[in-house]
Amino acid sequence: DIVLTQSPGTLSLSPGESATLSCRASQSVSSNYLAWYQQKPGQAPRLLIYGASSRATGIPDRFSGSGSGTDFTLTISRLEPEDFAVYYCQHYVGSPLTFGGGTKVESK
Amino acid sequence: QVQLVQSGAEVKKPGASVKVSCKAAGYIFNNYYVHWVRQAPGQGFEWLGVLNPTGGNTIYAQKFQGRVSMTRDTSTNTVNLELSSLRSEDTAVYYCARQMFRAVSFFDFWGQGALVTVSS
Repeated sequence: DIVLTQSPGTLSLSPGESATLSCRASQSVSSNYLAWYQQKPGQAPRLLIYGASSRATGIPDRFSGSGSGTDFTLTISRLEPEDFAVYYCQHYVGSPLTFGGGTKVESK
Repeated sequence: QVQLVQSGAEVKKPGASVKVSCKAAGYIFNNYYVHWVRQAPGQGFEWLGVLNPTGGNTIYAQKFQGRVSMTRDTSTNTVNLELSSLRSEDTAVYYCARQMFRAVSFFDFWGQGALVTVSS
């Protein structure tokens, strides 16, 4: 199984700052089959990025994804108040699908 | 608009079974696979499996083989998850999620989640 390790566990930032979230895979994620989701308390996840770098419908361009192989990054430029949440990566290279443990972006 | 509406919270005793339903609306039911993913309290996500509404074919995560069953009712556009031999570690919010594209398993729409509590 592919293990996804996210870091840091928590990011404490102020609105307007940029956030850089990391997702590292235990083996290469072929075809960049990696997605990112945002989850707020009491809510279901929301798809942000798929294919490592493609923004989902309606996602603001301050969210961007990059990376390949085993190292992937989600960048949120100019944090807005609504961006404070937990972010998860997920691979979709065959079965089983697995998720990272999450990075919490909190307001400083 | 696309909606996945799940059944409500459940409380079960260890050893029992639970059934969670997921009613799809706003899209052609047969055109999109539906997955089940769970999230234990304060934890990350765990994938249980996937169902193809056309034909009802399923793939289950090995961890849950023998304990999980996913079915569909095309007359009501509903996908069901049944998990048996429940233990306390199965306490979690169970989500259904729609696979966005046919060949790649990531999720563009999610149900609201159904909390399943296993407690004696």
